[in-house]
Amino acid sequence: EVQLVESGGGLVQPGGSLRLSCAASGFTFSSYWMSWVRQAPGKGLEWVANIKQDGSEKYYVDSVKGRFTISRDNAKNSLYLQMNSLRAEDTAVYYCARDTVAMVPDYWGQGTLVTVSS
Amino acid sequence: AIRMTQSPSSLSASTGDRVTITCRASQGISSYLAWYQQKPGKAPKLLIYAASTLQSGVPSRFSGSGSGTDFTLTISCLQSEDFATYYCQQYYSYPQTFGPGTKVDIK
Repeated sequence: EVQLVESGGGLVQPGGSLRLSCAASGFTFSSYWMSWVRQAPGKGLEWVANIKQDGSEKYYVDSVKGRFTISRDNAKNSLYLQMNSLRAEDTAVYYCARDTVAMVPDYWGQGTLVTVSS
Repeated sequence: AIRMTQSPSSLSASTGDRVTITCRASQGISSYLAWYQQKPGKAPKLLIYAASTLQSGVPSRFSGSGSGTDFTLTISCLQSEDFATYYCQQYYSYPQTFGPGTKVDIK
């Protein structure tokens, strides 16, 4: 069974940093692109970033470029999102997701809440 | 970035109804369009990708159509478990973008 479990969320002050982790199991992690998607409270979905199987390609939404870094450790079956210079508008539930061959997320974790507030 | 719009933003329907949701892209995206269902407090669920390909395990009452800029999601016979919010997503180009969602609730 495919499982994705996010961790690392919490309350952080504006300008602060946080590192999210996603532990994957039930599939060959190193064979899939992986994504982060977020959802602000009561709002819609926003794609944040994705990363190729070997980490050689990464893509970001403009609003996080230069502040967020997606990475992965295939030996640990883990996906990460390093978030720096956090802003109030980054407050959201962050979902880790596995991308299909068609490059769309098929399996999603349950999400981890990041709250940026003073 | 490609902008995605959906209509209606919400609709009320009854069990057994046929429901159609429209998604429009600000520029052509070929068939690089997916549909998701999300229930409150839950992660989204992939229903359809490549505009019309049903994800494994998704009931056949869900169908998708369209290409270019205009797409539709149809639920042929609404069931109680289908009351949720539906999102379209383009993956033709980066950044991938989602529509604002269509909430389907009980009439």
